[in-house]
Amino acid sequence: DTAVSQTPKYLVTQMGNDKSIKCEQNLGHDTMYWYKQDSKKFLKIMFSYNNKELIINETVPNRFSPKSPDKAHLNLHINSLELGDSAVYFCASSQVSGGPIYEQYFGPGTRLTVT
Amino acid sequence: QKEVEQNSGPLSVPEGAIASLNCTYSDRGSQSFFWYRQYSGKSPELIMSIYSNGDKEDGRFTAQLNKASQYVSLLIRDSQPSDSATYLCAVNTNAGKSTFGDGTTLTVKP
Repeated sequence: DTAVSQTPKYLVTQMGNDKSIKCEQNLGHDTMYWYKQDSKKFLKIMFSYNNKELIINETVPNRFSPKSPDKAHLNLHINSLELGDSAVYFCASSQVSGGPIYEQYFGPGTRLTVT
Repeated sequence: QKEVEQNSGPLSVPEGAIASLNCTYSDRGSQSFFWYRQYSGKSPELIMSIYSNGDKEDGRFTAQLNKASQYVSLLIRDSQPSDSATYLCAVNTNAGKSTFGDGTTLTVKP
């Protein structure tokens, strides 16, 4: 069973389009994250949700809108895509309540290419 | 100053040698420290976590933490070509948030 899954794995689209990426975790974790990894491999956090509540919102353009319908799902919608949005987007989850553990488990990533 | 800094790399070691990866962090309130391994084209995979000062060993991997010096390291003994990857240091600096270093690319040469 896949612990953290993302769809789609690859996404090629044109500038100006709107696209969504979906993430699901079956680990029973209470917190989920979106990360962006650019061509230089820097991994930067974008958002984090704890039990459907947004707790981390880094400096990300408001074209990016996360949505968490329940604690097992976290989706990412991107409006008006730009060339600079091309990157690999990783979803991750962790269990936050109960102690300072926060080991994160990552999904396989979604490679977004904007042309 | 970056919140989490790692050796800039790349690091190259011969097979069988010890690879040493280093990481420093700026927030003294940090509580949890992690090492992730990322193969090219794959997602980061947790390999070690450490929460208290000292050493923690798991097979060929040893994580070392020194909170006074704000330093965490990863030693890989008997390095194998399959250890060739980018290693990411992550530090929990706030509730539920891990800040990642920029990674160190390790190559183990047969």
